[in-house]
Amino acid sequence: AQSVSQHNHHVILSEAASLELGCNYSYGGTVNLFWYVQYPGQHLQLLLKYFSGDPLVKGIKGFEAEFIKSKFSFNLRKPSVQWSDTAEYFCAPQDGNNRKLIWGLGTSLAVNP
Amino acid sequence: DVKVTQSSRYLVKRTGEKVFLECVQDMDHENMFWYRQDPGLGLRLIYFSYDVKMKEKGDIPEGYSVSREKKERFSLILESASTNQTSMYLCASSPTGREETGELFFGEGSRLTVL
Repeated sequence: AQSVSQHNHHVILSEAASLELGCNYSYGGTVNLFWYVQYPGQHLQLLLKYFSGDPLVKGIKGFEAEFIKSKFSFNLRKPSVQWSDTAEYFCAPQDGNNRKLIWGLGTSLAVNP
Repeated sequence: DVKVTQSSRYLVKRTGEKVFLECVQDMDHENMFWYRQDPGLGLRLIYFSYDVKMKEKGDIPEGYSVSREKKERFSLILESASTNQTSMYLCASSPTGREETGELFFGEGSRLTVL
């Protein structure tokens, strides 16, 4: 069955540090890729998405992610985090056949001011 | 902005009670979903619907049912609540289109406690 792995469950950074959250998936077919974010007390929302084309995609709030097909990876990055980036981040590949999202377990990011 | 509204933010129910969780979206989306979110388990899909009167089982449908009589409303029903159904329930919607079905808009969530 398709699966997704987020390597880091909890990450603690200081402001201005760089961020990279790993995401690997097992599905070998056509796949769309998503990162969602859940800020404390708020609803889940889309951070960025990849459907096709340029493998480096940019999302909201300065986040970007790179799709590396050969590594089945879609890592999330931000050059300089802020306290307001404290949130839980979910990687979610979409099965190209049945359109279902396959959710990672999430990475909890805490940014210290 | 798309708005997905879940009727109750917090509910406390007794074992064996019937529970209704309501969800309404205002963007004319064809697709609607119910998830539960538990610490360490991520999001798990309970049921989804790609059209009115249509429903499909997700990964964990046991103990749940759904109703979609109107396009904008998708209800989750716990016929007889049990303590292992204590969880955060998330409703989401998305527009149609092969790619877009992965772009979900979520409600605030309904935290259900079953005693």
